[in-house]
Amino acid sequence: SYVLTQPPSVSVAPGKTARITCGGNNIGSKSVHWYQQKPGQAPVLVIYYDSDRPSGIPERFSGSNSGNTATLTISRVEAGDEADYYCQVWDSSSDQRVFGGGTKLTVL
Amino acid sequence: QVQLQESGPGLVKPSGTLSLTCAVSGGSISSSNWWSWVRQPPGKGLEWIGEIYHSGSTNYNPSLKSRVTISVDKSKNQFSLKLSSVTAADTAVYYCARLTGTAPDYYYYYMDVWGKGTTVTVSS
Repeated sequence: SYVLTQPPSVSVAPGKTARITCGGNNIGSKSVHWYQQKPGQAPVLVIYYDSDRPSGIPERFSGSNSGNTATLTISRVEAGDEADYYCQVWDSSSDQRVFGGGTKLTVL
Repeated sequence: QVQLQESGPGLVKPSGTLSLTCAVSGGSISSSNWWSWVRQPPGKGLEWIGEIYHSGSTNYNPSLKSRVTISVDKSKNQFSLKLSSVTAADTAVYYCARLTGTAPDYYYYYMDVWGKGTTVTVSS
């Protein structure tokens, strides 16, 4: 089945830019969604269709997708952005929704 | 706005069947959305279990397909999950979520509303 590879952890200082990658074979041909999950809470959608933002999500959150890598970019990182982030796609070869392993974002 | 609430036993015996229900409020389960189940074992990532449309059409995770049944009850505006022959590996927080989107193909839908989740432990 399709595998999405995320770095286990990313660290960034407040005010800087965090980039969280999601690797997959020709992922650029798929629609990627991103979810944020804080400890003890349900996931929250932060980016859909590669780069669209739901209402209520700050403009600091953006997404891109090309080739074999999709990227979630968080600008001007705040302490409240500290969370786990998951990418997700539909794998047509196995007819299933697939999540990446998740990336823990630490704000230094 | 739409809210989802999971309910069901928090403890299930090994080899038994896990049964959960997700109540949909603030909207109709018969809308043009799909309805999904996702789980998260302790300290691990998210795993998609399956999904259902109000017509009864379903998609399941191939790795769980032989043990999973998702059904919908339009009269109660809810959908349900049954997972049979459970083991300790099925211990997890179980979430229900709404799948929505604007793409012509529901395969590209995303999960925009989630329940708070319910913890299920498999133990004797």
